[in-house]
Amino acid sequence: KNEVEQSPQNLTAQEGEFITINCSYSVGISALHWLQQHPGGGIVSLFMLSSGKKKHGRLIATINIQEKHSSLHITASHPRDSAVYICAVKQYGPNAGGTSYGKLTFGQGTILTVHP
Amino acid sequence: KAGVTQTPRYLIKTRGQQVTLSCSPISGHRSVSWYQQTPGQGLQFLFEYFSETQRNKGNFPGRFSGRQFSNSRSEMNVSTLELGDSALYLCASRRWSTEAFFGQGTRLTVV
Repeated sequence: KNEVEQSPQNLTAQEGEFITINCSYSVGISALHWLQQHPGGGIVSLFMLSSGKKKHGRLIATINIQEKHSSLHITASHPRDSAVYICAVKQYGPNAGGTSYGKLTFGQGTILTVHP
Repeated sequence: KAGVTQTPRYLIKTRGQQVTLSCSPISGHRSVSWYQQTPGQGLQFLFEYFSETQRNKGNFPGRFSGRQFSNSRSEMNVSTLELGDSALYLCASRRWSTEAFFGQGTRLTVV
């Protein structure tokens, strides 16, 4: 079983719909990242969370440390939101790599397609 | 402010050759991490450098190596290339424990 699991793997929506992508992890973490990857490869960091909730424009990310679960929500989705969304965790503890913040463990990604 | 710059963007190499990829971080960022992305394995951590020192290494063979220069620019090297090394190689820079900024990646094809 992967340490970071995302669901769904594929998501298709109509423009304007509210979208939720889920991420569950099985390890202790110090931070969780939500990343966006468009065709062509470039990755954009959307959020870095260690607790609570963050909002940026139409995007909202939440994390529940006790339940080891995070969600990414997109309100009023738009075709330009079509991309792969990836959850990544910075582990806490012996596998954390000391003070290394670059060692991230990634989910398999969620392919989002928003139709006009 | 310029973003993270990776060069080259695309590369085709032959099995057995070696390759060097370059990453220039955002000005002021001293940490550079490298990742490999393949369709089968997804994104995997290769290594991280901070102040010219390797801070952590992922589970990759010794053919994968890297270094960081005094200006924080980083290079990664893959020797004796194998077909399975074909991948998108991404680097990310950060100030320290802050959010990571990723480059566009270098797409390596080994034939």
